Amino acid sequence: GAGVSQSPSNKVTEKGKDVELRCDPISGHTALYWYRQSLGQGLEFLIYFQGNSAPDKSGLPSDRFSAERTGGSVSTLTIQRTQQEDSAVYLCASSLVGAGRAGATQYFGPGTRLTVL
Amino acid sequence: DQQVKQNSPSLSVQEGRISILNCDYTNSMFDYFLWYKKYPAEGPTFLISISSIKDKNEDGRFTVFLNKSAKHLSLHIVPSQPGDSAVYFCAASAGNTPLVFGKGTRLSVIA
Repeated sequence: GAGVSQSPSNKVTEKGKDVELRCDPISGHTALYWYRQSLGQGLEFLIYFQGNSAPDKSGLPSDRFSAERTGGSVSTLTIQRTQQEDSAVYLCASSLVGAGRAGATQYFGPGTRLTVL
Repeated sequence: DQQVKQNSPSLSVQEGRISILNCDYTNSMFDYFLWYKKYPAEGPTFLISISSIKDKNEDGRFTVFLNKSAKHLSLHIVPSQPGDSAVYFCAASAGNTPLVFGKGTRLSVIA
């Protein structure tokens, strides 16, 4: 079956512009996660959606970052007024059930490489 | 403050030998641990996991060991194969919380 897909695969933007990154999770997965990986760093948690619950936004680095998940499926991560330090690979993952429960193994998409000039 | 630490950024092993990747954690509330493998330009792929009620979980060539008293886990790959060359991430969660990842260890298996 289809895995997690993300678009675009690469995005180059100028400092100060807004960008939108898209994630299509595996069909039927109730949980969706966004992470980012900066050069030489591990995966940094950004935001977590679980079913109809309010999202866990505790990892968002600033108020320039926001995300939504429409209809419990597709998610969009928006970065406003991009800065050079936002350059990273942004990874989306989904799991069948919520974090911390059996079956919560996360399946990752290929990522979007964002470069802010 | 890093809650999950992979202190070796890289490791080289000869084909056929054992690869041992290590991971330390600081949060005693972590109760579920996973290893992910990542190839260049791809997302991480789930490899193996272990619950805190166990001290060992085996899946083919991959075995994960958990030492709760030392807050340490390790991934053993035996025998190592060139296709195992990738970056390996250790991750942990506490109850209903998202995963916390280490910075990864790049494994190179030399033929």
